[in-house]
Amino acid sequence: GEQVEQLPSILRVQEGSSASINCSYEDSASNYFPWYKQEPGENPKLIIDIRSNMERKQIQELIVLLDKKAKRFSLHITDTQPGDSAMYFCAASAPGYQNFYFGKGTSLTVIP
Amino acid sequence: AQTIHQWPVAEIKAVGSPLSLGCTIKGKSSPNLYWYWQATGGTLQQLFYSITVGQVESVVQLNLSASRPKDDQFILSTEKLLLSHSGFYLCAWDWGETLYFGSGTRLTVL
Repeated sequence: GEQVEQLPSILRVQEGSSASINCSYEDSASNYFPWYKQEPGENPKLIIDIRSNMERKQIQELIVLLDKKAKRFSLHITDTQPGDSAMYFCAASAPGYQNFYFGKGTSLTVIP
Repeated sequence: AQTIHQWPVAEIKAVGSPLSLGCTIKGKSSPNLYWYWQATGGTLQQLFYSITVGQVESVVQLNLSASRPKDDQFILSTEKLLLSHSGFYLCAWDWGETLYFGSGTRLTVL
């Protein structure tokens, strides 16, 4: 099956700075790349996603970039706030497959 | 609006005891349903998925089984729990390509 690598596993940033999380995938058939935020004790919640027909998507302070040629995608959180502290997971899926492959997660801490 | 309800919220069980976890989705007919498992601090591991009643596909078994007795219900079970079964179990459904998770069941096996 698909393999999704996510780095870094731990990320600490100062409040107001940017945070970047990078993911790579192997299966060129993957065409949908969601990002989830999970707070302690909670379920993962979709925060932003990108499809293979796009290279960039932004929702407020969240920016997702997709490089299909390199099979890489990334999440950038601009102007981080303490409320952004959480686990973040990237994922990849391919059409016709009922499988979503998740990265190992990034623990983000925003230091006030 | 679609809602997904998981039960129970938490369980503490003994090694060797049986287990049954469930989820129900309302507001969507014939949903694709999934079971995920997450070890503490770990990633999300897909266990099973089902696209229709009575049909379940295994991705990773972990000595667990799943059933879909009704269109809106997905059950995860085992007859004998292992210590390694501890973790967070999440039922999920997809809308088009997007996956949405239920609130989860926290399982502790002692």
